[in-house]
Amino acid sequence: GENVEQHPSTLSVQEGDSAVIKCTYSDSASNYFPWYKQELGKRPQLIIDIRSNVGEKKDQRIAVTLNKTAKHFSLHITETQPEDSAVYFCAASTRGAGSYQLTFGKGTKLSVIP
Amino acid sequence: KAGVTQTPRYLIKTRGQQVTLSCSPISGHRSVSWYQQTPGQGLQFLFEYFSETQRNKGNFPGRFSGRQFSNSRSEMNVSTLELGDSALYLCASSESGQIDQPQHFGDGTRLSIL
Repeated sequence: GENVEQHPSTLSVQEGDSAVIKCTYSDSASNYFPWYKQELGKRPQLIIDIRSNVGEKKDQRIAVTLNKTAKHFSLHITETQPEDSAVYFCAASTRGAGSYQLTFGKGTKLSVIP
Repeated sequence: KAGVTQTPRYLIKTRGQQVTLSCSPISGHRSVSWYQQTPGQGLQFLFEYFSETQRNKGNFPGRFSGRQFSNSRSEMNVSTLELGDSALYLCASSESGQIDQPQHFGDGTRLSIL
C-alpha cells in the first residue's frame, strides 16, 4: 500500500521567514495531494491541494510543488505569521479496494516565533 | 453551507463497552470517510461509505464497523472497547469520493477508554 513520509516532524521559524515541509510517497498511481492544517483542538482544515497534471500551485503565501518523477511534494509558506503555528499534514490519494482513500504523513508541528 | 458535523464531541467509556459515533456530511456530499487520529500513529483510514455501501476499508479489526443512511449520514461503531481505542475519531465528506475530490473534516469525537 501507499506510504507517505513527512519531514521535518518539528519546525521553528522566526516570524517573517519562510517554512518548507517535504513529503515523499511510494505509490506512483497517486494523483492527488492535499495539505491540511490542524490547530490545537480543531479539525484538520484543507489549505491547498495539487493534482498530478500540475507541477506547482500557489495561493497567496502558500505554495505547493510536485515532482512526480521523484515522488515528492512540498509545502512552502512565505512571510510566516504567528497564526501559521499549527500541525501540518500532507496526504496522497490512492485507490483502495473499491474507492479512493487518503494516506497521511505523520505531521509537522510548525512554530512561528514572534 | 454547514460543515461536517460530528456528535458527540467527547465520550468516556470503559473497557469492554461499545460506542456509536455519528457524522453528518456537508449537504450534497455522498461520500463519508472515517479516520482515527492518535499521537503515535497519526491519521489512519478506517473506512469509506457511498450510497449506503462500504466501498473501502482500512487495516482495522472487525470490532470497528460502520454504516451509512439514505440521507448520507454515517455512524461508526466500536465494540468490545480496548484501552488502545482511545483516540480522536474524525469523519470527512466529499462529493463522491473520487481520487481528486477534496475531503472536508468534522471536529471529531474524542473517545477516552478508562
